[in-house]
Amino acid sequence: EDKVVQSPLSLVVHEGDTVTLNCSYEVTNFRSLLWYKQEKKAPTFLFMLTSSGIEKKSGRLSSILDKKELFSILNITATQTGDSAIYLCAVAGGTSYGKLTFGQGTILTVHP
Amino acid sequence: DGGITQSPKYLFRKEGQNVTLSCEQNLNHDAMYWYRQDPGQGLRLIYYSQIVNDFQKGDIAEGYSVSREKKESFPLTVTSAQKNPTAFYLCASRGSQTGGASAFFGQGTRLTVV
Repeated sequence: EDKVVQSPLSLVVHEGDTVTLNCSYEVTNFRSLLWYKQEKKAPTFLFMLTSSGIEKKSGRLSSILDKKELFSILNITATQTGDSAIYLCAVAGGTSYGKLTFGQGTILTVHP
Repeated sequence: DGGITQSPKYLFRKEGQNVTLSCEQNLNHDAMYWYRQDPGQGLRLIYYSQIVNDFQKGDIAEGYSVSREKKESFPLTVTSAQKNPTAFYLCASRGSQTGGASAFFGQGTRLTVV
């Protein structure tokens, strides 16, 4: 059974802090790892990672994948209150458009 | 505009009733998914479908049923056998148009058993 574990489950920081969110996985026939941000309803896509060691970056957010150790991290620098959300990690495995398994999510709260 | 539409946004059900949640996409995506989300938690996979007329159970399929008669549509029925159906339900789709990578989500249906 595919498994995705995120840590920490919740995190409270102050504006300006840097946070690191973790995602470890076990999946059959790994294809990609995805990060999403969920504020209200629909999760919104952040990054897709398929290769080890290649950092993806978007503004203050960055992410990297380690396929040997089976984990990924999502970094947010200089956090803002608008970064408060649930951050979800998902792993795609199996066939091309097969199973997409999510972790429990990390609830990030950024105080002013 | 292309996207995924879930309806209704809010749904109330009496115990013992079956209800069907709608999910329609006009992205021409091959794969569609149903997830359940409980408060403050991640997404748990109920069912997914990679092609019309075919679908597979996810991790928590008991008490749910689906059909995939058309590429655009993937309705989810919550049956009376689901013991704790109150939750937020999200539908998603993926396809070659997005490089097979990211999944697009609908706005969700919040189901409450009264």
